[in-house]
Amino acid sequence: ETGVTQSPTHLIKTRGQQVTLRCSSQSGHNTVSWYQQALGQGPQFIFQYYREEENGRGNFPPRFSGLQFPNYSSELNVNALELDDSALYLCASSPIRTGELFFGEGSRLTVL
Amino acid sequence: TQLLEQSPQFLSIQEGENLTVYCNSSSVFSSLQWYRQEPGEGPVLLVTVVTGGEVKKLKRLTFQFGDARKDSSLHITAAQPGDTGLYLCAGAGRHGNEKLTFGTGTRLTIIP
Repeated sequence: ETGVTQSPTHLIKTRGQQVTLRCSSQSGHNTVSWYQQALGQGPQFIFQYYREEENGRGNFPPRFSGLQFPNYSSELNVNALELDDSALYLCASSPIRTGELFFGEGSRLTVL
Repeated sequence: TQLLEQSPQFLSIQEGENLTVYCNSSSVFSSLQWYRQEPGEGPVLLVTVVTGGEVKKLKRLTFQFGDARKDSSLHITAAQPGDTGLYLCAGAGRHGNEKLTFGTGTRLTIIP
């Protein structure tokens, strides 16, 4: 059974640029959630996708957007990057909407 | 806004000692989860507690959910170096894992 995989693992961008992060959910999981974890803090919920539809969103501006594909993989897009967007972005999949979350190792984004 | 405060924020103890980590909120959660996160990895679920007053044991780890489902504790007996990591509590609202609210985290270091 393949776990949750994220890419890229590390990346550096400059302020104002755009970034796309990718997540492959664990086999059999149809729900994907994205979290932002700033250094020294707990993860903050960005949004969740279930069957290709956004199913709940945290307190993040519209420049944070996402997609879920028919194979349940997902993308997180962030436009107009700001310095405070520097963080570890975690993807988590679950077998059903309210199931246990399985996290990937994260994508560490640094904005200069 | 639901907030979860964890204490202590940092804890460094000798191998073999006991410790307790606390997770407190003014909000009621339908369930509460505890995760451990190691450097460069995503959080890994340790336990989910659902019923007020519930106690769960996982080897040397004992988890308790408060009677009012607003707080929780994690007690580790005879700590070992392998227990080192970031411990995160996370509360689920009435819709389950649609949006997990994570605590601020407790960074535990066990000194051999």
